[in-house]
Amino acid sequence: RKEVEQDPGPFNVPEGATVAFNCTYSNSASQSFFWYRQDCRKEPKLLMSVYSSGNEDGRFTAQLNRASQYISLLIRDSKLSDSATYLCVVSLQGGKLIFGQGTELSVKP
Amino acid sequence: DAGVTQSPTHLIKTRGQQVTLRCSPKSGHDTVSWYQQALGQGPQFIFQYYEEEERQRGNFPDRFSGHQFPNYSSELNVNALLLGDSALYLCASSFVDRVAYEQYFGPGTRLTVT
Repeated sequence: RKEVEQDPGPFNVPEGATVAFNCTYSNSASQSFFWYRQDCRKEPKLLMSVYSSGNEDGRFTAQLNRASQYISLLIRDSKLSDSATYLCVVSLQGGKLIFGQGTELSVKP
Repeated sequence: DAGVTQSPTHLIKTRGQQVTLRCSPKSGHDTVSWYQQALGQGPQFIFQYYEEEERQRGNFPDRFSGHQFPNYSSELNVNALLLGDSALYLCASSFVDRVAYEQYFGPGTRLTVT
């Protein structure tokens, strides 16, 4: 079993759609949780940290359920510029980042 | 303020050769982590350096080694290259007391082994 598992993609959605990504992790000692965005052939960039209380940044909402070891990301009103691969990431003690395999999103006009 | 920089950008090597990749952390950061990203996969943790010592290591063979210099920059060395070592190699920097909460990635070095 992979340590971090994400929905297999790709997701193809029209502009303006709402899209949800799901992720589960296996290590209950995971310390911090993140969503990263990676554009084609570029480095991953932090999209947002994820907290148990849930957090929102504009059109993006992230949720964490520690009991279920489940993380989600919701993107509302999708834009063409949201097209990218979204990586679910957990951090273990000492900052070892464990990445999911990524879910590709393609937003079409 | 310069972000994380890596060199070279691209590299082509032959099986059996050795390669050295370089990383300069974001200004003020003292901790450097290295990741390998194969095509279509998420990055995998190789190792982390702090105070010129390897602090943590992922599930990579001894062919992968590293070094951190007094100015916090770091090198990743891979010996006896295999075709399967072809990947994007990413360096991430952070402050040691923030390493679990934020890491900044460089643009990566794309290594092709033929």
